[in-house]
Amino acid sequence: GAVVSQHPSRVICKSGTSVKIECRSLDFQATTMFWYRQFPKKSLMLMATSNEGSKATYEQGVEKDKFLINHASLTLSTLTVTSAHPEDSSFYICSAKLAGALYEQYFGPGTRLTVT
Amino acid sequence: AQKVTQAQTEISVVEKEDVTLDCVYETRDTTYYLFWYKQPPSGELVFLIRRNSFDEQNEISGRYSWNFQKSTSSFNFTITASQVVDSAVYFCALFKGNAGGTSYGKLTFGQGTILTVHP
Repeated sequence: GAVVSQHPSRVICKSGTSVKIECRSLDFQATTMFWYRQFPKKSLMLMATSNEGSKATYEQGVEKDKFLINHASLTLSTLTVTSAHPEDSSFYICSAKLAGALYEQYFGPGTRLTVT
Repeated sequence: AQKVTQAQTEISVVEKEDVTLDCVYETRDTTYYLFWYKQPPSGELVFLIRRNSFDEQNEISGRYSWNFQKSTSSFNFTITASQVVDSAVYFCALFKGNAGGTSYGKLTFGQGTILTVHP
């Protein structure tokens, strides 16, 4: 089956620093990747849709200058949390959609970010 | 707008009991897909089942079964003879199938139901 990886799986950073999270589709090409954020005991909230070679589309209320998304290739999208603050601490999950597919999305294992 | 509601926040059962997780959805689309995902403590989302809006046939797959009722916009999921390993958060999700609109291509998740199976 299709595999999506995320790196790192867990990261702790200091307030004010930036952290980059990678999402890779390992055995398929993904023209579209999605980034979700999940607070403890809460649902997944879509942050942005990332299309290869173009700018990401952000959901309402998500600061695009704070959450920089780059989808430079058909197998890699990155989310950079800039000038992180403790309130950015969360579980970030990406998903990748098969090129040409309608609904097939494969989820990464998630990245737990803790900002101290 | 699309919406998914999982009214049960937490469910606690004893092993071997059957448990049904409720899901009610709202959409104006005629074509859509419904999903159930499991999220164990590790955090990774595990795909369980998918139905499209044109197929109301209910099926059983091992210990899992689902009941899709378009008339009531419900997509309930049942685990038979629950096991401790079934303990997880379960999410119902809706995918907009009709092109156009801001929700196209996106999954809308319900709030999740925390299932705890006690030995």
